[in-house]
Amino acid sequence: VQLVESGGGVVQPGRSRRLSCAASGFTFSSYALHWVRQAPGKGLDWVAVISFDGSDEFYADSVKGRFTISRDNSKNTVSLQMNNLRAEDTAIYYCVKIVDKNQLLFDGFDIWGQGTLVTVSS
Amino acid sequence: SSELTQPPSVSVSPGQTASITCSGDKLVDKYVCWYQQKAGQSPVLVLYRDTERPSGIPERFSGSISGNTATLTISGTQAMDEADYYCQAWDITTAVFGAGTKVTVL
Repeated sequence: VQLVESGGGVVQPGRSRRLSCAASGFTFSSYALHWVRQAPGKGLDWVAVISFDGSDEFYADSVKGRFTISRDNSKNTVSLQMNNLRAEDTAIYYCVKIVDKNQLLFDGFDIWGQGTLVTVSS
Repeated sequence: SSELTQPPSVSVSPGQTASITCSGDKLVDKYVCWYQQKAGQSPVLVLYRDTERPSGIPERFSGSISGNTATLTISGTQAMDEADYYCQAWDITTAVFGAGTKVTVL
């Protein structure tokens, strides 16, 4: 069971970046997927979730209207489109899987990717 | 949104018991999860639904909840348990994490 993120890098404030996460080893289309981030030296910060079939999405207030989560069940991938990036968005972004396939929310995160670092700086 | 409060640090001697608390509003009505994060690594789920251990997590990790406080207990703490520990619960549609507790095994 594995999640592998990609797409991180240095981006200027106000610009966009798209992160991707490739999944393997489990029935991808049965599970909600989340993004959680961690600023350098700081704690964990939940970002967004998408339901198993892509019909439901929820976002943290800090990214609502700027970030969009999506998934492609035919390719076992989930993406995070980040627009109008700010310095405070600088973080390692983790793709994570929820424990129970019957849950969108209200459960723990049992599989974490290795993370991809996004640095917002001019 | 609700907040979860953890002590910044806990120190424990090898073989002793470490207890990490997590306080939040109406926590007894929510499921609490705990994550271990070692330096330079991704977090690992060590407890979910207050007391459940994922496969591969040693029995020395246990959880309890009473009122507004959840507790992660590490019995017979080993040097390998030195890490940051985060509690997490759900506030409506938002996952909320505590600020983390650094466990030092002296």
